[in-house]
Amino acid sequence: NAGVTQTPKFQVLKTGQSMTLQCAQDMNHNSMYWYRQDPGMGLRLIYYSASEGTTDKGEVPNGYNVSRLNKREFSLRLESAAPSQTSVYFCASSEEGGVNEQFFGPGTRLTVL
Amino acid sequence: KNQVEQSPQSLIILEGKNCTLQCNYTVSPFSNLRWYKQDTGRGPVSLTIMTFSENTKSNGRYTATLDADTKQSSLHITASQLSDSASYICVVSVNKLIFGAGTRLAVHP
Repeated sequence: NAGVTQTPKFQVLKTGQSMTLQCAQDMNHNSMYWYRQDPGMGLRLIYYSASEGTTDKGEVPNGYNVSRLNKREFSLRLESAAPSQTSVYFCASSEEGGVNEQFFGPGTRLTVL
Repeated sequence: KNQVEQSPQSLIILEGKNCTLQCNYTVSPFSNLRWYKQDTGRGPVSLTIMTFSENTKSNGRYTATLDADTKQSSLHITASQLSDSASYICVVSVNKLIFGAGTRLAVHP
């Protein structure tokens, strides 16, 4: 089992460009999450999907959109990237809900110039 | 003010020594408290999970303790190894996960 995989691993964008971060899990988990991690701060939840077909905003959703493509895949889209979105992005999955253990992907390091 | 505060921010110890990392939280009650290890360039990996009623949980050389009265948790690492160099993140679970900023540990030979 690969667990949670993310692509790409690194990305550099110019302000205003768009891109989609991909995430897939092979653990048959119902819930998936997108976080961002900034220096000196804890991980912050951007969006989550409690189950296939549903998505909800987290703590910092502005500037992002998500798509739960199927049970395995959950993508994060930046429509018009801004320097404030420079961060490391982690995807995670869990069996059910927020109180269960979450398994994290390796992260995507995004720089917006 | 963060609901989960960790100290110290960073720590350097020599290989073979023990160390203790601290986590203070204001969230109460909660479902569980977790400690994650995050190697550089990797995602966090769970070390221990304790419910509100548990006092201690071990995973090899890692021992987590929880004091619900003082709202403190600690992670004790015994006989440190170079591979213990990482960030250690305290996470409190209510209806969502609340992450501390982490303690960055460096183990030197």
